Amino acid sequence: SYVLTQPPSVSVAPGQTARITCGGNNIGSKSVHWYQQKPGQAPVLVVYDDNYRPSGIPERFSGSNSGNTATLTISRVEAGDEADYYCQVWDSSSDHWVFGGGTKLTVL
Amino acid sequence: EVQLVESGGGLVQPGGSLRLSCAASGFTFSSFSMNWVRLAPGKGLEWVSYISSSSTTIHYADSVKGRFTISRDNAKYSLYLQMNSLRDEDTAVYYCARGYDSSDPPSQFDYWGQGTLVTVSS
Repeated sequence: SYVLTQPPSVSVAPGQTARITCGGNNIGSKSVHWYQQKPGQAPVLVVYDDNYRPSGIPERFSGSNSGNTATLTISRVEAGDEADYYCQVWDSSSDHWVFGGGTKLTVL
Repeated sequence: EVQLVESGGGLVQPGGSLRLSCAASGFTFSSFSMNWVRLAPGKGLEWVSYISSSSTTIHYADSVKGRFTISRDNAKYSLYLQMNSLRDEDTAVYYCARGYDSSDPPSQFDYWGQGTLVTVSS
């Protein structure tokens, strides 16, 4: 089955740029979606189809996807961005949705 | 306003059954695929099941295949998850989530409910 690998944690100071990676075999050939989840809340879609933002998501959130790595980039990080972030792809070989293990973003 | 409200969670013994419901409003339910996703304590998100808008296509995660059954009633704007032979490891918050559209392959989850807690314990 297809596996997505994320770093367990990323730390960044306010105002700096956070980059959260999502590794997978030839992930560049798939559409990657990213979700933000804060404690006790439902997940929120922040980037879809590699690099598109839903309405209401700040321009500070962006994505890229190439080769074996997709990346969620959060510019000018704010305290309110502290959350768990998950990448997601559709694995057509198994007809399964796959989530990465999640990355806890800590704002120092 | 799109709303998804889950219900039916609770405490159940190992081997028992539970039926979750998800009531949808604010959109044309029959035009969208739906999913169940769970978050176990201390773990990450895990996709559980997918159902297409007309129920013609259904998929399950390997961990629940043969034990869980997804269904929907478009007339009632409702999504369901029948969970049988429950195990300790099924303990989680269960979310229903809407697919962005009803395309093939399935699309991203654009709206989520607040979740319902299922606890499997003796």
